[in-house]
Amino acid sequence: SQTIHQWPATLVQPVGSPLSLECTVEGTSNPNLYWYRQAAGRGLQLLFYSVGIGQISSEVPQNLSASRPQDRQFILSSKKLLLSDSGFYLCAWSGGQGLAGVSTDTQYFGPGTRLTVL
Amino acid sequence: EDQVTQSPEALRLQEGESSSLNCSYTVSGLRGLFWYRQDPGKGPEFLFTLYSAGEEKEKERLKATLTKKESFLHITAPKPEDSATYLCAVQRYSGNTGKLIFGQGTTLQVKP
Repeated sequence: SQTIHQWPATLVQPVGSPLSLECTVEGTSNPNLYWYRQAAGRGLQLLFYSVGIGQISSEVPQNLSASRPQDRQFILSSKKLLLSDSGFYLCAWSGGQGLAGVSTDTQYFGPGTRLTVL
Repeated sequence: EDQVTQSPEALRLQEGESSSLNCSYTVSGLRGLFWYRQDPGKGPEFLFTLYSAGEEKEKERLKATLTKKESFLHITAPKPEDSATYLCAVQRYSGNTGKLIFGQGTTLQVKP
């Protein structure tokens, strides 16, 4: 079966500090990967998506960047955090090979990282 | 512009009191409509995917339906463990991003 991991689970960072959030997927290969942010009182917003290693597309201009150094690893980064970067960051996967009884259209979410920028 | 609106924002039910959650959408070329359940502090958990008007899917006390303009999540005889935020999202045919456009969610509280 497929599993998605995110770490850290929670993070408190000062304004201006760097950020690195990691997401890994097990049990499938060549998945599509996504980063979403869920701000307080707001819906989920897609930040980045990736269809393969080194292939990153950005949905909204912002203070963040993403990288995919390995097939099942997705990293969200920032050089200098802003107060507005606070939120709940979610990684998701879809598609890929080695699936059984899983819709290729459906996105499956990880447990999330709660980021607080002070 | 693609848009998803969920109502009500919050819903309080007594255990056993059935009700429905609404998801109205505007999207050019619907590929699929997705329902998720989200518990506080956790990632969304997939419930259903609906692809065409008239389609229905069931899971335990939950039943999702789809029309050309909206989807309903019917909850029959809910239990306290059904308390959560229910999210609706749509996916367009155009492009290959698989981007989901989410509504704001309906927070359901079921009291014993």
